[in-house]
Amino acid sequence: DTGVSQNPRHKITKRGQNVTFRCDPISEHNRLYWYRQTLGQGPEFLTYFQNEAQLEKSRLLSDRFSAERPKGSFSTLEIQRTEQGDSAMYLCASSTGALTGELFFGEGSRLTVL
Amino acid sequence: GESVGLHLPTLSVQEGDNSIINCAYSNSASDYFIWYKQESGKGPQFIIDIRSNMDKRQGQRVTVLLNKTVKHLSLQIAATQPGDSAVYFCAERLAGSARQLTFGSGTQLTVLP
Repeated sequence: DTGVSQNPRHKITKRGQNVTFRCDPISEHNRLYWYRQTLGQGPEFLTYFQNEAQLEKSRLLSDRFSAERPKGSFSTLEIQRTEQGDSAMYLCASSTGALTGELFFGEGSRLTVL
Repeated sequence: GESVGLHLPTLSVQEGDNSIINCAYSNSASDYFIWYKQESGKGPQFIIDIRSNMDKRQGQRVTVLLNKTVKHLSLQIAATQPGDSAVYFCAERLAGSARQLTFGSGTQLTVLP
């Protein structure tokens, strides 16, 4: 499978715990995005990497959230001191450097904070 | 801030009929639009895109229409099939942004037998 891969697919945690999600983009894609999606809503932009550089962060990304893409390949999204409001689907997408062009999404990592 | 929105949250159509899903956007500076399909428990899947210098684009069984005058986008699905049942999102990209997309809240399409 050469699509975008995310893991874990599901994570249940207690409030206050830290969680980390991993995304492996399509290999030739230099752009990587993280989105968050809650039930019944469209995905909301969180952050964007071009290669290893994090170029944009949404105001939705509080100080408890941190994303990295250390070698310009896979990326991690860490949430510290999770809150119940963090429960959502975390989607990763990748794309080429074309000015237009679709984002290829992974299947997402669903987080449930108890 | 400005956002993409949809006219109807749900749409039911008979199998074999054509479906039309509408989307209103408010940012006249958006230069690129995409329709995505999302099945339950899965990530969004690309359907078709259109640049702001076009008003129509056709794919396989799908057509996207863009009316910049009224800031309206529609997705037409011909001969709707049961496998088309899903949530459909339109998304826009602001010209000059970091290529990230702003999504609407989606329309649930249900295909009836």
